[in-house]
Amino acid sequence: DTAVSQTPKYLVTQMGNDKSIKCEQNLGHDTMYWYKQDSKKFLKIMFSYNNKELIINETVPNRFSPKSPDKAHLNLHINSLELGDSAVYFCASSPGTGSYEQYFGPGTRLTVT
Amino acid sequence: GQQLNQSPQSMFIQEGEDVSMNCTSSSIFNTWLWYKQDPGEGPVLLIALYKAGELTSNGRLTAQFGITRKDSFLNISASIPSDVGIYFCAGHYTGANSKLTFGKGITLSVRP
Repeated sequence: DTAVSQTPKYLVTQMGNDKSIKCEQNLGHDTMYWYKQDSKKFLKIMFSYNNKELIINETVPNRFSPKSPDKAHLNLHINSLELGDSAVYFCASSPGTGSYEQYFGPGTRLTVT
Repeated sequence: GQQLNQSPQSMFIQEGEDVSMNCTSSSIFNTWLWYKQDPGEGPVLLIALYKAGELTSNGRLTAQFGITRKDSFLNISASIPSDVGIYFCAGHYTGANSKLTFGKGITLSVRP
């Protein structure tokens, strides 16, 4: 009965590769998010989707492209991976308009070598 | 942009002690949230606050929404070893869409 799940948990890849991280929530929430947590543990929002529509797009390189096939899924595709992309990426979801309680997935630790 | 300040970066306490953490902002927030992150896991929501002055408890945790709307605190009473982790405050302000602003977190260590 996992609420927000992400795959894979760990991802090790070389510079220049393209990779995807998947996220699914079974909470019936309307809004989903991607966060990046750096080595200093700072949580930085990257994107947010509400009912499959992009509503937040922070200053993120074009190499990062989110896709939401339906409101329960939000995937993150990263092209031409760079060393600086190494971080933990968290997916989160919230009920939607008027509620700001976000529920996080377990994270994907991306290591670019 | 909006910023939330949490300090110190780390706190060390003895098992059984109470500890209080503050989160402050130069701007008004309408919602305050407290999260805890265990190593290798995602942040878990502890307490949500929606009204200025609101005081809410969750077991040994108590959090308050400051009356100025510019601060919040979290108290942990009678700490135990499993309280170890990173505690983040987060806030939402009007006009931010659904975006939360997070503090940088406080790492809590509990000595047995």
